[in-house]
Amino acid sequence: EAQVTQNPRYLITVTGKKLTVTCSQNMNHEYMSWYRQDPGLGLRQIYYSMNVEVTDKGDVPEGYKVSRKEKRNFPLILESPSPNQTSLYFCASNPKTGSSYNEQFFGPGTRLTVL
Amino acid sequence: AQSVTQPDIHITVSEGASLELRCNYSYGATPYLFWYVQSPGQGLQLLLKYFSGDTLVQGIKGFEAEFKRSQSSFNLRKPSVHWSDAAEYFCAVGAPSGTYKYIFGTGTRLKVLA
Repeated sequence: EAQVTQNPRYLITVTGKKLTVTCSQNMNHEYMSWYRQDPGLGLRQIYYSMNVEVTDKGDVPEGYKVSRKEKRNFPLILESPSPNQTSLYFCASNPKTGSSYNEQFFGPGTRLTVL
Repeated sequence: AQSVTQPDIHITVSEGASLELRCNYSYGATPYLFWYVQSPGQGLQLLLKYFSGDTLVQGIKGFEAEFKRSQSSFNLRKPSVHWSDAAEYFCAVGAPSGTYKYIFGTGTRLKVLA
């Protein structure tokens, strides 16, 4: 089944304790992206990657890191989480053929609480 | 700066009534436009998209949207709403400049009355 998977789905942690949220897609998509969803703010793009070893900042990159060492994986790293990073996080991918946009496929989400 | 505005935070309609969700965008050129739906506790699913051509776009689940360049709008419509349509709806813009950044609106939560 074609899908985007995220782990963990739920995480409660404390301020300053480094964490990684994994994202993996099995569709051989070039493009992957991370979003956070907050009430009243919709989805905001954190980072995106157009291919292996190519990443770029979205609109809210502060406090986050990403890496793209393999095509299928795009982990989101919080080196020192703070309470304002409590949010619902979504990973997404799309095939990025040529210069056209395509549908983004979203993972199920990771609900993160930072105490 | 690029932006997407969904002016209605909440909308309530009766089952069987028609629906229109508004979306306005701000961008220098015609962007790529999307509508996504998020059911409670779920990820986002694409309803429809517009890149070019016919300005009336048909999507899944009986939804359609019309692109109006003069109004910078991409409103989502459905002639007859079903109770299962209760969800949050997001309009999104993809910039055709090659940056592959996406901008989402703040969402409209739809409630359907039986």
